[in-house]
Amino acid sequence: GESVGLHLPTLSVQEGDNSIINCAYSNSASDYFIWYKQESGKGPQFIIDIRSNMDKRQGQRVTVLLNKTVKHLSLQIAATQPGDSAVYFCADLNQAGTALIFGKGTTLSVSS
Amino acid sequence: DGGITQSPKYLFRKEGQNVTLSCEQNLNHDAMYWYRQDPGQGLRLIYYSQIVNDFQKGDIAEGYSVSREKKESFPLTVTSAQKNPTAFYLCASSVGTGIMYEQYFGPGTRLTVT
Repeated sequence: GESVGLHLPTLSVQEGDNSIINCAYSNSASDYFIWYKQESGKGPQFIIDIRSNMDKRQGQRVTVLLNKTVKHLSLQIAATQPGDSAVYFCADLNQAGTALIFGKGTTLSVSS
Repeated sequence: DGGITQSPKYLFRKEGQNVTLSCEQNLNHDAMYWYRQDPGQGLRLIYYSQIVNDFQKGDIAEGYSVSREKKESFPLTVTSAQKNPTAFYLCASSVGTGIMYEQYFGPGTRLTVT
């Protein structure tokens, strides 16, 4: 069935390091993926998305990599800052293309 | 300011009571969604609506009901039939459904049922 998941529930890094958050998905037909950031007690915020016809997409300090062969995507955050501390979710569309399916999330902790 | 509002932020109810969570958006979005989030878990879809007067069940619709009488409003009722109603409830909206339609989330309502 459809599911997305993340490899590690927590990730701790030092300020200034690069962070890599991973996500595996099961639906080989998925053609659209999104990364969201959720700060404590708030709703998720869109970070970046990628379509399956791309391998890589870059935003401001963030890069998403998609490996369709192994059904894996990652979110890379350059020069991680304390303000990046949050829970990060990957999501893809359900088979009908009408709603998002979220993974369980990785909690990123940045220490200064 | 344009956005999505959910009220109240915290809600407490006694077991056996129905409770309705409010979600309003002034983004002129056609699609609206309700998700449930449990501690340490991802978001799970309860219901979604692609257009006024229409809505579809998500993955965990049992024990919940919704209505979509107005474009800007999508209230969620947590009924007494929902076995584990205590959770963080998130409402979202998007221009449409499918690829390229980013979902915008509200601040959430934390419901505690005792």
